[in-house]
Amino acid sequence: KAGVTQTPRYLIKTRGQQVTLSCSPISGHRSVSWYQQTPGQGLQFLFEYFSETQRNKGNFPGRFSGRQFSNSRSEMNVSTLELGDSALYLCASSLFRGNTGELFFGEGSRLTVL
Amino acid sequence: QQPVQSPQAVILREGEDAVINCSSSKALYSVHWYRQKHGEAPVFLMILLKGGEQKGHEKISASFNEKKQQSSLYLTASQLSYSGTYFCGTEYQANNLFFGTGTRLTVIP
Repeated sequence: KAGVTQTPRYLIKTRGQQVTLSCSPISGHRSVSWYQQTPGQGLQFLFEYFSETQRNKGNFPGRFSGRQFSNSRSEMNVSTLELGDSALYLCASSLFRGNTGELFFGEGSRLTVL
Repeated sequence: QQPVQSPQAVILREGEDAVINCSSSKALYSVHWYRQKHGEAPVFLMILLKGGEQKGHEKISASFNEKKQQSSLYLTASQLSYSGTYFCGTEYQANNLFFGTGTRLTVIP
């Protein structure tokens, strides 16, 4: 069974640019959650999508947005990038709604903002 | 809302035991534990629900003290494969999980 796939794995952007990250969940999983991981802050919850609808949102500015498609694949977009957005962005899928069941994480997309 | 983990880092020799704590200032609905090895995705270990239930996973077990809003992860007879960063996640209301900053565990021969 294929795991959670995130693309791209690494990317470098400059301040002011925007970026789109993609996540393909495990087949049959309808919930996709996104997390930002930085050394000092650990895993910070961004948002969760279930059946193409955003169900929960963390405390991040509106520059961070996402969406989910009918096949459960999800994308995350960050606009007007700032240096502080440099981080590992993790996607996790789950069978059920909410990020409180067993989460299956992808290996992440490492974003560097210069 | 982010739980507090302690210690931030610990170094063990193979065979030694360790305890990682996770505490919250708010009433908890459940506590989740994950382990992330260097360069890899976090992997689920266990979920503990209200009620002080202790769960186990190989030689790794955990408890949940509902009155103190705390959970502890116990690693006994540590192995090299236990090295990694351990995260606790706390659920205050249904369907929303907040992770701590992690505890880096290093097991040396």
